Amino acid sequence: EAQVTQNPRYLITVTGKKLTVTCSQNMNHEYMSWYRQDPGLGLRQIYYSMNVEVTDKGDVPEGYKVSRKEKRNFPLILESPSPNQTSLYFCASTSPGSGANVLTFGAGSRLTVL
Amino acid sequence: GEDVEQSLFLSVREGDSSVINCTYTDSSSTYLYWYKQEPGAGLQLLTYIFSNMDMKQDQRLTVLLNKKDKHLSLRIADTQTGDSAIYFCAETTTSGTYKYIFGTGTRLKVLA
Repeated sequence: EAQVTQNPRYLITVTGKKLTVTCSQNMNHEYMSWYRQDPGLGLRQIYYSMNVEVTDKGDVPEGYKVSRKEKRNFPLILESPSPNQTSLYFCASTSPGSGANVLTFGAGSRLTVL
Repeated sequence: GEDVEQSLFLSVREGDSSVINCTYTDSSSTYLYWYKQEPGAGLQLLTYIFSNMDMKQDQRLTVLLNKKDKHLSLRIADTQTGDSAIYFCAETTTSGTYKYIFGTGTRLKVLA
């Protein structure tokens, strides 16, 4: 089944404790992206990647890092999480130029930073 | 900069039509989308329209695009309780960097 898999789905952590949210897709998509969803603010892009070893900042990159060493994986790293990073995170992927460029989303990762 | 705006809430009675509206600012949009988010789940594509079209119909869904006013709407006919969800308008633009821009989402509540 074509899908984007995120882990963990739920996480409660404390300020300053490094964490990584993994994202993996099995559709051979070139483009991958991370979003955070907050009430009243919709989806805001954190980072995106057009292909392996090519990453770029989205609208809200502060406090986050990403890497794209393999085409299928795009982990989101919070080196020193803070409470304002408490949010619902989504990973998504697509193949740019393949028709309508429809994004496939993961199920989401709810992060709470105490 | 680019922006996509939606109203936050809409409430309708079961069997009525729902109309969710969206305005966008980037005139170089190539595709405009409606995504649906059910509780506890990720977003799933509902429908999309290419920027050179005015209307697209898909079963109970009708998408209208007014390029002059940069206005997109989604009409759901015979709304059911299963349609209760958050609906996101989004656009892609290939001007410069390939980018998806999402609206704030409209929470649709269907009353039985």
